[in-house]
Amino acid sequence: DIQMTQSPSTLSASVGDRVTITCRASQTITMLAWYQQKPGTAPNLLIYTASILQSGVPSRFSGSGSGTEFTLTISSLQPEDFATYYCQQYSSLFPTFGQGTKVEIK
Amino acid sequence: EGQLVETGGGLIQPGGSLRLSCAASGFIVSSYYMTWVRQAPGKGLEWVSGLYSSGDTKYADSVRGRFTISRDTSKNTVYLQMNSLRGEDTALYFCVSSTGDPGAFDIWGHGATVTVSS
Repeated sequence: DIQMTQSPSTLSASVGDRVTITCRASQTITMLAWYQQKPGTAPNLLIYTASILQSGVPSRFSGSGSGTEFTLTISSLQPEDFATYYCQQYSSLFPTFGQGTKVEIK
Repeated sequence: EGQLVETGGGLIQPGGSLRLSCAASGFIVSSYYMTWVRQAPGKGLEWVSGLYSSGDTKYADSVRGRFTISRDTSKNTVYLQMNSLRGEDTALYFCVSSTGDPGAFDIWGHGATVTVSS
């Protein structure tokens, strides 16, 4: 299986901050998605194919990267963005998720 | 917009069986890749099983041989039959679909809780 490793595991930030989360794959992939999950709710797709914004997702979210290293950036953190973020590869027939990055209020 | 509603969760003893159902509305399940993703209490997301529009199925190593994914097109419903349940199967099970980019999970149900305990 392709292993996905996110960093950091926890991130403390303030409203208005620029935030970057990194996701590394154990081998080269081309298909990567990012999800946001708030407590008690299902994850929500933010970005697919590494950089395409899902319909309805605010433009302050962006994704980039290729090969084995990918990033999710929130350009200006809003109060509703405090949540846990997961990357997921779907290049393989067996999708795998990163362990998650919790974005906390500083 | 499509919706998914899971039912069938509950408390089950180790070694027991349970079947989760996932009723879809707003789209046809047999036309898209349908999956089950689980989340153990306080943990991350784990893909469990997938069902392609072709009928092909895939399973995570942790459940292969014990779980079976299937669908009933007349009911527009996907199922997850879980046998020989173990404590480590305790989790919130989400029914998920890829109706856009294949493999990117764009529609999630609210989840069904499965607790395996004696």
